[in-house]
Amino acid sequence: DGGITQSPKYLFRKEGQNVTLSCEQNLNHDAMYWYRQDPGQGLRLIYYSQIVNDFQKGDIAEGYSVSREKKESFPLTVTSAQKNPTAFYLCASRQHRVTTDGYTFGSGTRLTVV
Amino acid sequence: GDSVTQMEGPVTLSEEAFLTINCTYTATGYPSLFWYVQYPGEGLQLLLKATKADDKGSNKGFEATYRKETTSFHLEKGSVQVSDSAVYFCALSRSNQGGKLIFGQGTELSVKP
Repeated sequence: DGGITQSPKYLFRKEGQNVTLSCEQNLNHDAMYWYRQDPGQGLRLIYYSQIVNDFQKGDIAEGYSVSREKKESFPLTVTSAQKNPTAFYLCASRQHRVTTDGYTFGSGTRLTVV
Repeated sequence: GDSVTQMEGPVTLSEEAFLTINCTYTATGYPSLFWYVQYPGEGLQLLLKATKADDKGSNKGFEATYRKETTSFHLEKGSVQVSDSAVYFCALSRSNQGGKLIFGQGTELSVKP
């Protein structure tokens, strides 16, 4: 079955380290998105990509970086510049420009700074 | 800019009670509207959608009607179950913004036996 796979499910980071969260989809979707979710809060957009080799900043891009070298993959790096990285991170995808379709979401990665 | 506003939670109901979660939006034109559900520790799942005015989306006993005159998309269910306990997100999508989804802040529902 097609879907989005995020890994790992739980991730622990030491202060000052960069970590990379994986997001892979086999839905042949063009557009991919990264969101951050904090307890009791909604979703905030970090980065998104509508085609390979192109991506745009969302509302809270500072301290994060992404790449989109393949259609299937959209990894997110949380850098040491991100002051408060502990959160639940969600990846999503959708066929580009099909705005009547919703996103398909992965199951998330919970990042904790120790 | 475009926005989505949901009623604040948490909402606590007894099993078999009637559920309404209010959602209103601000957008020009004709956005598509969505409800997502998030169970604890999981990602979001699409629950239902409506793509034009007066459309009714429905799934698993949940319903929502796209009301352009009141810019609303309220979620309803006639008889909730304990298994419906989750966080519900309302969202909109506009074609002239590359289709990015704009989410409400989410409403937590807790159903007691």
